[in-house]
Amino acid sequence: QKEVEQNSGPLSVPEGAIASLNCTYSDRVSQSFFWYRQYSGKSPELIMSIYSNGDKEDGRFTAQLNKASQYVSLLIRDSQPSDSATYLCAVNRRGAQKLVFGQGTRLTINP
Amino acid sequence: GAVVSQHPSWVICKSGTSVKIECRSLDFQATTMFWYRQFPKQSLMLMATSNEGSKATYEQGVEKDKFLINHASLTLSTLTVTSAHPEDSSFYICSARDQYGERRNYEQYFGPGTRLTVT
Repeated sequence: QKEVEQNSGPLSVPEGAIASLNCTYSDRVSQSFFWYRQYSGKSPELIMSIYSNGDKEDGRFTAQLNKASQYVSLLIRDSQPSDSATYLCAVNRRGAQKLVFGQGTRLTINP
Repeated sequence: GAVVSQHPSWVICKSGTSVKIECRSLDFQATTMFWYRQFPKQSLMLMATSNEGSKATYEQGVEKDKFLINHASLTLSTLTVTSAHPEDSSFYICSARDQYGERRNYEQYFGPGTRLTVT
């Protein structure tokens, strides 16, 4: 079982709809969770971080964390074509320096 | 804030030569920096973790004598690809963590990457 798992997609969502991206992790002592966006040919960009159970909202983005289920998700409201990218879920274990990344979900927003 | 730069953004070199890539944190002190490599349509692969003033920790399978990492200051880390070969052609990306500043957490900020082509 991979430490961090994401559906590789591609996930196609019509413009204006809600895009839902999911991520599960295997290590229960994980404490920090991140979502990065990576456009083709570019480096990853941090868009959300979440550390405690529940929802965290930032503009059109909402991160949701459920530590009991070892599950973290990212919702993108009012999806725009510019949201088309690969979204990477990353997890940090307590005491560890490095992040563990999922393989990424490719999201396409259709006009 | 949280800006990380890399130089050069792209480089072409001949097989057998060495290439140095710089990674700088511009508005914070990066006690820890990370070096990743990404091949086309593949996931990020962590190569090594470097802490300021100490030796880098390399991931399994990464040759430390081939990929030399130096983190001599709180704002600069360098990766030198020695005796480069065509199979080293890849997208090299650094990231930095602000451990003691406002962002006292595990957020990592990525540089824009360096595209290396070895001919």
